Amino acid sequence: DVKVTQSSRYLVKRTGEKVFLECVQDMDHENMFWYRQDPGLGLRLIYFSYDVKMKEKGDIPEGYSVSREKKERFSLILESASTNQTSMYLCASSAMSGGVSYNEQFFGPGTRLTVL
Amino acid sequence: DAKTTQPNSMESNEEEPVHLPCNHSTISGTDYIHWYRQLPSQGPEYVIHGLTSNVNNRMASLAIAEDRKSSTLILHRATLRDAAVYYCILRVPKGRGAQKLVFGQGTRLTINP
Repeated sequence: DVKVTQSSRYLVKRTGEKVFLECVQDMDHENMFWYRQDPGLGLRLIYFSYDVKMKEKGDIPEGYSVSREKKERFSLILESASTNQTSMYLCASSAMSGGVSYNEQFFGPGTRLTVL
Repeated sequence: DAKTTQPNSMESNEEEPVHLPCNHSTISGTDYIHWYRQLPSQGPEYVIHGLTSNVNNRMASLAIAEDRKSSTLILHRATLRDAAVYYCILRVPKGRGAQKLVFGQGTRLTINP
């Protein structure tokens, strides 16, 4: 069974803390994504990576950075957490085949982050 | 990105068919139509996708209008487990933009026992 796992289901942090959200996939996928989901705003793409050490900004990258040192792992970093980053964070991965990258995305269960 | 329009919510009864509509009047000739759903407290999951022809898989069917300006996701026999938010998404086939899923608000489907 294909799997995308996220390090925590629930996380509570304080304003100004550095926060790491980890995502691991076991499907040897080239592409990995970080989204956040907020009521009324839906899912929005923060960053994605199409290869190790490669990254590209999504629609709302401000306040976030990412790291992809290994193919199976994609980390989202909040350098200095703020209350407006309280949200559900979802990681996803997908394969790239034949130069076409619109394949199915597999999502993790999400991390609900609360910043106090 | 081309936009999609879906009803905010729909309701149906268990074991009855459900037709979830999606309008995408600005779709381009190469955009694929994808459907995802999000069950409560879970990440989204892929349901089906198509380009021009109708498509079937074990989860659902996708009926695409001849002019491609609308499509309908069909759940042939809804169960309580099908209660979810259903998202209709347009995707370009190639390039960096192809990797993105642009989620709208989706349709919240309620299934009555």
